[in-house]
Amino acid sequence: NAGVMQNPRHLVRRRGQEARLRCSPMKGHSHVYWYRQLPEEGLKFMVYLQKENIIDESGMPKERFSAEFPKEGPSILRIQQVVRGDSAAYFCASSPGQGAVYGYTFGSGTRLTVV
Amino acid sequence: GENVEQHPSTLSVQEGDSAVIKCTYSDSASNYFPWYKQELGKRPQLIIDIRSNVGEKKDQRIAVTLNKTAKHFSLHITETQPEDSAVYFCAASMDNQFYFGTGTSLTVIP
Repeated sequence: NAGVMQNPRHLVRRRGQEARLRCSPMKGHSHVYWYRQLPEEGLKFMVYLQKENIIDESGMPKERFSAEFPKEGPSILRIQQVVRGDSAAYFCASSPGQGAVYGYTFGSGTRLTVV
Repeated sequence: GENVEQHPSTLSVQEGDSAVIKCTYSDSASNYFPWYKQELGKRPQLIIDIRSNVGEKKDQRIAVTLNKTAKHFSLHITETQPEDSAVYFCAASMDNQFYFGTGTSLTVIP
């Protein structure tokens, strides 16, 4: 079991470009969570998805950010028209079920730098 | 929503001493409290957790205590070693998401 896989590990984008971050959950995990970590800060919840459904997107900025978890393939976090303030580490976590009893496993993160 | 506060933000201890990190939470419905260790440039990794029906849990040099009435929980690391140096995050969870503290940067001085 390779764990939660995120790619790319590092991503550099110019202002105005699109950033696509991918997350493949652990085998057997159908629940995916995205978190953003700004420099010197903690992890902030963005969105919780199950296969083909967005369950909770209360932490997602209203504009430019979107997430999906298709029936086949990884979960994608998309940031359109990136700005310098989007520079951060984006972590995905997965779990086999809903609720705290299942715990989380984090991926290694994607470090986005907007220049 | 839930609000988790974590203190201190930085902590330096001599090797062999103990380190204590404290967190408070606001929502009494939270029922799961994990602690994560994040080394520089790496993923957060679960080191210990506690559920709301337990007051204390210990795993070798690491222990966590939970006071549900006061809504606070603490991480205790005894006999600290240089490899314990990292950022530690507490979290409170209910249902679908975890609410993280802002982290404590622990430095163990050899």
